[in-house]
Amino acid sequence: DIVMTQSPDSLAVSLGERATVYCKSSQSVLFNSNNKHYLAWYQQKPGQPPKLLIYWASTRASGVPDRFSGSGSGTDFTLTISSLQAEDVAVYYCQQFYTSPRTFGQGTKLEIK
Amino acid sequence: QVQLQESGPGLVKPSETLSLTCTVSGGSISGFYWSWIRQPPGKGLEWIGYIYYSGTTSYNPSLKSRVTISVDTSKNQFSLKLNSVTAADTAVYYCARTTGQLAPFDYWGQGTLITVSS
Repeated sequence: DIVMTQSPDSLAVSLGERATVYCKSSQSVLFNSNNKHYLAWYQQKPGQPPKLLIYWASTRASGVPDRFSGSGSGTDFTLTISSLQAEDVAVYYCQQFYTSPRTFGQGTKLEIK
Repeated sequence: QVQLQESGPGLVKPSETLSLTCTVSGGSISGFYWSWIRQPPGKGLEWIGYIYYSGTTSYNPSLKSRVTISVDTSKNQFSLKLNSVTAADTAVYYCARTTGQLAPFDYWGQGTLITVSS
């Protein structure tokens, strides 16, 4: 199985400041045939299902605000919220869809400082 | 707008079989991959398996011996059976869609809490 490891486990950031979450995969999730990283980011608010934010490591899903961005390559990936809003308080998960079984990171809890 | 809704009993006894159904509305079940994912209370996400509308399946090896996922295209539904459950199977169970075999989960159900207890 590909192990996804996120850091930190929790993060407190002031409103309007930048928040950065890291995700490392135990092996590459890059498909050489199309040069795409099979890596997604989700946001989960309390009592709700996860919501797709980013896929192919850096493509925003439909309707996702542009303050959310994804980057990275190989085995190291980053989710950045450029200016934290109150509604961004949530747990964030990375997930690889490169192979089965699909695996998720353990989650990063983002709070307001 | 595609919507997914899980249904099933909220309480299952140890050693019995957990059965859930996901009903897809606002779109066809055909042409897509449909997964079950679970989340123990206060913990992270675990993929259980998927089924293609044609019936092809893939399961998480950690659960493969106990899991069966099936599809009923006439009802726009797919189902999960997990047998020989224990307290460790207590979780919120989600159904979700992917547009391809290797694709992110773009639509999710609201989830249903299944508690395993006598």
